[in-house]
Amino acid sequence: SQQGEEDPQALSIQEGENATMNCSYKTSINNLQWYRQNSGRGLVHLILIRSNEREKHSGRLRVTLDTSKKSSSLLITASRAADTASYFCATDARGSNYKLTFGKGTLLTVNP
Amino acid sequence: DAGITQSPRHKVTETGTPVTLRCHQTENHRYMYWYRQDPGHGLRLIHYSYGVKDTDKGEVSDGYSVSRSKTEDFLLTLESATSSQTSVYFCAISESNGSGEKLFFGSGTQLSVL
Repeated sequence: SQQGEEDPQALSIQEGENATMNCSYKTSINNLQWYRQNSGRGLVHLILIRSNEREKHSGRLRVTLDTSKKSSSLLITASRAADTASYFCATDARGSNYKLTFGKGTLLTVNP
Repeated sequence: DAGITQSPRHKVTETGTPVTLRCHQTENHRYMYWYRQDPGHGLRLIHYSYGVKDTDKGEVSDGYSVSRSKTEDFLLTLESATSSQTSVYFCAISESNGSGEKLFFGSGTQLSVL
């Protein structure tokens, strides 16, 4: 069963614009992580936010978490063509023995 | 890719044949995972291991078996491959299994079952 669902499925923007991706999940979580996947490659961890945190920053990345709405957003500011990739949220649901469940991903295309 | 090697990178096989995929890590991490990635489904956990000879099932384990005889190697076997097992398979590792542990992924194996 899919715990996290990203929205939108695909997003196309121009270089320099901000990109926002959303993730909704169904059950209570310990933490939520965001991963990035370049075409033909494995996933790379970007950022983790714990259930008691509301916002976290890492470079051009900003993640928010709203546990009351069971949702998270990933904002990439001042996007670059190199940010073109698929982005996945992964949740560590309570009672799951810490196994991560991944969403289906958002495909971000940043046009030069 | 964080000291993780998957082999082969690509494989084409016929329905009914056995297939073994290998994941090798040089990080000495305790936990190893096999995921499959399919369009419309994202990544789904097949099996995972929490130590040598210690394995457990994931979300989509039917038709798959695993073995871990050494810390560094985690094998995924399709005893009799079916077309529904055509997928990209990713191995991942983590140092522990506590909340907040991040996964490190290999580059994947593209498996086609004809």
